[in-house]
Amino acid sequence: SYVLTQPPSVSVAPGQTAKITCGGANIGSKGVHWYQQKPGQAPVLVVFDDSDRPSGIPERFSGSNSGDTATLTISRVEVGDEADFFCQVWDSDSGHPVFGGGTPLTVL
Amino acid sequence: QLQLQESGPGLVKPSETLSLTCTVSGGSIRSSRYYWGWIRQTPGKGLEYIGSIYYSGSAFYTPSLKSRVSISVDRSQNQLSLELRSVTAADTAVYFCAAHPDYYDSRGVWMVNAFELWGQGKMVTVSS
Repeated sequence: SYVLTQPPSVSVAPGQTAKITCGGANIGSKGVHWYQQKPGQAPVLVVFDDSDRPSGIPERFSGSNSGDTATLTISRVEVGDEADFFCQVWDSDSGHPVFGGGTPLTVL
Repeated sequence: QLQLQESGPGLVKPSETLSLTCTVSGGSIRSSRYYWGWIRQTPGKGLEYIGSIYYSGSAFYTPSLKSRVSISVDRSQNQLSLELRSVTAADTAVYFCAAHPDYYDSRGVWMVNAFELWGQGKMVTVSS
């Protein structure tokens, strides 16, 4: 099964830029989706198809994908952005969607 | 505004069947746009996809759970249901229902794309 690797944690000060990576073999050939999950809440889609944003998601959230790494970038980070972030792709070999292990974002 | 809400027992005994319902509100489960899926989350294994169903009843299951899972749709009630048979402690998790578009890749092969909307989740514990 396809494996997605995320860092165990990311910390950033308010107003700075946070980058959360998602590693996978040739992930650049796949569409990557990102979810934000706050404690006790359901995940919310923040970026789909590598770099598109759903309606209502701030422009501060952006994504990129190339080679073996996809990246979620959060600009001008706010305290309210603290959450776990998950990446997800479709694994065409095994025929099911796969999620990364998640990265907690701490806003110091 | 489309919303999803899971319901069902929070405690299931080992070897029995876990049954959950997801009610769709603010829209119709007959929407041709969406498949309706189930995903579970555990501290140890993270997020795990279970399966999806279209309003027509066409269902898709993840290979690792396919032998124990059934997903059905009740169009009259605007609901979808999940059954997971022969449960063990390893099935203890928060179960989410979620909506994803009916999507085909560039070769015309159906795939699960992004989960656009999620329910709040239902915690289910498997224990005697």
